[in-house]
Amino acid sequence: QKEVEQNSGPLSVPEGAIASLNCTYSDRGSQSFFWYRQYSGKSPELIMFIYSNGDKEDGRFTAQLNKASQYVSLLIRDSQPSDSATYLCAVFKAAGNKLTFGGGTRVLVKP
Amino acid sequence: DGGITQSPKYLFRKEGQNVTLSCEQNLNHDAMYWYRQDPGQGLRLIYYSQIVNDFQKGDIAEGYSVSREKKESFPLTVTSAQKNPTAFYLCASSLSSGSAGNTIYFGEGSWLTVV
Repeated sequence: QKEVEQNSGPLSVPEGAIASLNCTYSDRGSQSFFWYRQYSGKSPELIMFIYSNGDKEDGRFTAQLNKASQYVSLLIRDSQPSDSATYLCAVFKAAGNKLTFGGGTRVLVKP
Repeated sequence: DGGITQSPKYLFRKEGQNVTLSCEQNLNHDAMYWYRQDPGQGLRLIYYSQIVNDFQKGDIAEGYSVSREKKESFPLTVTSAQKNPTAFYLCASSLSSGSAGNTIYFGEGSWLTVV
């Protein structure tokens, strides 16, 4: 079992719709969770992080964390063509002091 | 401007050669990292360093070496022992490691191709 798992996609959503991305992790000792966006050929850029159960909103993005079920999700509201990218989930645990990435979900927003 | 600078952006390596990728940050971050990304894949940790003169192996350290002589600099050497080095290499840094809410920022990356 991979430490951090994401559906590779592509996730195709019409413009203006909500894109829902999921990420599961295996280590219950994981402390904080990050979502990065990566455009093709570019480096990842941070969207947001979350470390408490529940929802965290930032603009059109909402991160949701459920530690009991070991999953974290990202919702993108009012999806725009510029949101077309690969979204990487990353999980941090203090033991080992490292950030582990999932394989990413490719999102395609169609006009 | 504050940030993480990687060089070169594109590098070609011949079989049997060692090459060094540079990474410099002026963010006053304590921790620095090197990740490798293969096409269509996620990021895999090569090495990381929490303080000067100290570094730890990540998940795929074989065939790579690093040094951390200065807080600002964390160069990565891809040795001839790395049999499949063609990939996108990403340097990153964070204010500190080992704490919840820690955030990693990335440089623009270096593309390494074996010819």
